[in-house]
Amino acid sequence: EIVMTQSPATLSVSPGERATLSCRASQSVSSNLAWYQQKPGQAPRLLIYGASTRATGIPARFRGSGSGTEFTLTISSLQSEDFAVYYCQHYNNWLLYSFGQGTKLEIK
Amino acid sequence: EVQLVESGGGLVQPGRSLRLSCAASGFTFDEYAMHWVRQAPGKGLEWVSGISWKSNNIGYAGSVKGRFTISRDNAKKSLYLQMDSLRPDDTAFYYCAKAGGINWSDVGWFDTWGQGTLVTVSS
Repeated sequence: EIVMTQSPATLSVSPGERATLSCRASQSVSSNLAWYQQKPGQAPRLLIYGASTRATGIPARFRGSGSGTEFTLTISSLQSEDFAVYYCQHYNNWLLYSFGQGTKLEIK
Repeated sequence: EVQLVESGGGLVQPGRSLRLSCAASGFTFDEYAMHWVRQAPGKGLEWVSGISWKSNNIGYAGSVKGRFTISRDNAKKSLYLQMDSLRPDDTAFYYCAKAGGINWSDVGWFDTWGQGTLVTVSS
């Protein structure tokens, strides 16, 4: 089983600044990685797939990068609606997927 | 509009069974793999199970293998999760999720989620 580890667990950033979230896989997942955003009381929302492709309707301030075992989600110029929990998920092995434990992005 | 609506959650005693349903609309259901993902209250996301468009490929997380059964009815545009031998640690919101694309490279990420249905396992 591939274990996904996200860091930090909580990130405090001021509005207008940049946030950098990390995700590490216990073994290579190539570019088979997605990022999701979840706000309280809501279902997750897809942000990024293929490690770096933004989903439909996702603003350009969200950027995914990385491959293999190291991945980054960068959110430039944070808006108030961006404060949420973010999860990475690998889909490298058919029907054996796993998520990271999440990073909570909070207002500083 | 693509939409997924789960139903069937509720309070159930340990060891009993429950069947969840997910009604899909707004897309060609029989072209997409479908999945169940759960989230214990205040915790992270856990992929539970997935099924290919023709039901010939099915997978389960180790935590539910042998107890849960995923299925689909393409004519009814519906996805199901039969949950047997339920345990307190199965307590969670259960989300139905649609695969992002119809190609093999796109079956493992989820572009549409339902709002979830809460399953509580307690005596």
